[in-house]
Amino acid sequence: DQQVKQNSPSLSVQEGRISILNCDYTNSMFDYFLWYKKYPAEGPTFLISISSIKDKNEDGRFTVFLNKSAKHLSLHIVPSQPGDSAVYFCAATLEGGRDDKIIFGKGTRLHILP
Amino acid sequence: EAGVAQSPRYKIIEKRQSVAFWCNPISGHATLYWYQQILGQGPKLLIQFQNNGVVDDSQLPKDRFSAERLKGVDSTLKIQPAKLEDSAVYLCASSLDTRTRYQETQYFGPGTRLLVL
Repeated sequence: DQQVKQNSPSLSVQEGRISILNCDYTNSMFDYFLWYKKYPAEGPTFLISISSIKDKNEDGRFTVFLNKSAKHLSLHIVPSQPGDSAVYFCAATLEGGRDDKIIFGKGTRLHILP
Repeated sequence: EAGVAQSPRYKIIEKRQSVAFWCNPISGHATLYWYQQILGQGPKLLIQFQNNGVVDDSQLPKDRFSAERLKGVDSTLKIQPAKLEDSAVYLCASSLDTRTRYQETQYFGPGTRLLVL
């Protein structure tokens, strides 16, 4: 049973436009959410996170929105750049807990088109 | 600052053979993780070490997988004997210390791609 779901395996966006990657989770106990970015033949790298006490966190071109009632979060990239082409993993965990296992989604492959 | 190092980068073996992967975390990082990433899936935690002690190995198939971190620094993950379904990328990650800071960021190595024939 997947606790973190990324239902779009891939997404293509024109350079300069907004990329929106979506993620749903089923476990209402999750209170900390992360996005990781992965290039081929490299390990995932941390991109941005959000605690459940917030509904928005912004870092440069990247903004993550959290809707706790819908158990949904999204990552917005504005404007999209060619270097943003990668696989993006949504992940969830329990903040500050001893059992801080991170649960990853399957990932969404983002293609930025010239 | 040097990142998480892993070796080998690629390994091809036949089923029932044994294989070992090595990980050197970022200097000073107390917590070390091994993940398995099957093609088309997200990384799945196999085992988590805090220094040289195991924090979580609930998803490690202990009949064939073993891991150790003897001196609280480097770690090895072994599969013996390997099965076809073990074909995956094995990722090592490290973080400063999850006991003292909220959700410290995990830094991943490049992974070892294993193919079992």
